[in-house]
Amino acid sequence: QKEVEQNSGPLSVPEGAIASLNCTYSDRGSQSFFWYRQYSGKSPELIMFIYSNGDKEDGRFTAQLNKASQYVSLLIRDSQPSDSATYLCAVSDSNYQLIWGAGTKLIIKP
Amino acid sequence: GAGVSQSPSNKVTEKGKDVELRCDPISGHTALYWYRQSLGQGLEFLIYFQGNSAPDKSGLPSDRFSAERTGGSVSTLTIQRTQQEDSAVYLCASSFGLEGANIQYFGAGTRLSVL
Repeated sequence: QKEVEQNSGPLSVPEGAIASLNCTYSDRGSQSFFWYRQYSGKSPELIMFIYSNGDKEDGRFTAQLNKASQYVSLLIRDSQPSDSATYLCAVSDSNYQLIWGAGTKLIIKP
Repeated sequence: GAGVSQSPSNKVTEKGKDVELRCDPISGHTALYWYRQSLGQGLEFLIYFQGNSAPDKSGLPSDRFSAERTGGSVSTLTIQRTQQEDSAVYLCASSFGLEGANIQYFGAGTRLSVL
């Protein structure tokens, strides 16, 4: 059974601080990793994807991938109240389907 | 269209009635996915279409659920004899379904309420 695990939270972070979201996965053959953001009552939207070990930065967001340890993380720098949402981790399997984590609810406190 | 389009956006039905939900994927995307999301819960995979291959129906919760995709484009999810536990948001997503190009883009969803 392929699994993607996330802490459900809520994770509460002060405005301006760094929010760190973590995800572990079970399938060692996974090649593609995604972070989606979902606001309450809205659909998931892609934040970042990462294919290679190491860090990938895009503005205030950094995705980190460690295939040996089977974890992927998302760092949000200078957290803003508008970052408050549920963050979904997804991992691609060999059929190009995504295995989804249950999501971490992030709350940025002004 | 520019994005994934789903209709209707909201559907209220009575227990026991059949409903049809429609998804129009992004042009050129060969892969189409249906998910269900109950209030406060994660995404529940229902079914996956990829090109002309047989669909992966492994997530359908019962034989009351079925889906088809005509001409490799528009898909319809049908729920027969609806039950109150079917109430949820039904999300459709599409992608190119290729290694390195399988980002899924979601529609706005259909909120189904079974009374």
